[in-house]
Amino acid sequence: GDSVTQMEGPVTLSEEAFLTINCTYTATGYPSLFWYVQYPGEGLQLLLKATKADDKGSNKGFEATYRKETTSFHLEKGSVQVSDSAVYFCALQGSGGYNKLIFGAGTRLAVHP
Amino acid sequence: EAQVTQNPRYLITVTGKKLTVTCSQNMNHEYMSWYRQDPGLGLRQIYYSMNVEVTDKGDVPEGYKVSRKEKRNFPLILESPSPNQTSLYFCASTSGGMNTEAFFGQGTRLTVV
Repeated sequence: GDSVTQMEGPVTLSEEAFLTINCTYTATGYPSLFWYVQYPGEGLQLLLKATKADDKGSNKGFEATYRKETTSFHLEKGSVQVSDSAVYFCALQGSGGYNKLIFGAGTRLAVHP
Repeated sequence: EAQVTQNPRYLITVTGKKLTVTCSQNMNHEYMSWYRQDPGLGLRQIYYSMNVEVTDKGDVPEGYKVSRKEKRNFPLILESPSPNQTSLYFCASTSGGMNTEAFFGQGTRLTVV
């Protein structure tokens, strides 16, 4: 079945450092890919998405490119801030016809001043 | 303001005592679902509903029930909770189309002793 694999955390960075969180997926057909972010004590919220190969999703300085050849959707940010500290989830939505999301295990990011 | 509201936020209960976690959305979304979040496992879908009176099992439905009598409400019922149901639970809703954003509640942290 469909699945998502994320790099294990926690990831600890200093402010203004470069961030990469790796995400790879297994799916039949042409899934849509998402990154969700969970700030402490809150629910998940959509960070960015990409719906077809070579699409780049971007939001709040974060970017991810849908790479079908490597089945990857890595999250990047050029300069992280303390306020980016959160748990990041990669997810896919299969082409099965309804809205089920398959999530990765999540990667906790801690940014220090 | 578009939102998904879950109650309670925190709950400690004893094994076998029936409980209900409520979920309500104000966006007139057709599709609603329940997830549980466990360390290292990400979010896993428990049940989902594609519309009023239409519900179906997700990946981890054992020990849970749901109902969808009104479009806005989707309660999660644990008829006889057990300690392995200690988890963080999230309700989510989407408009029902592909590639659409899922809106999450703030979560319910349940402890079964």
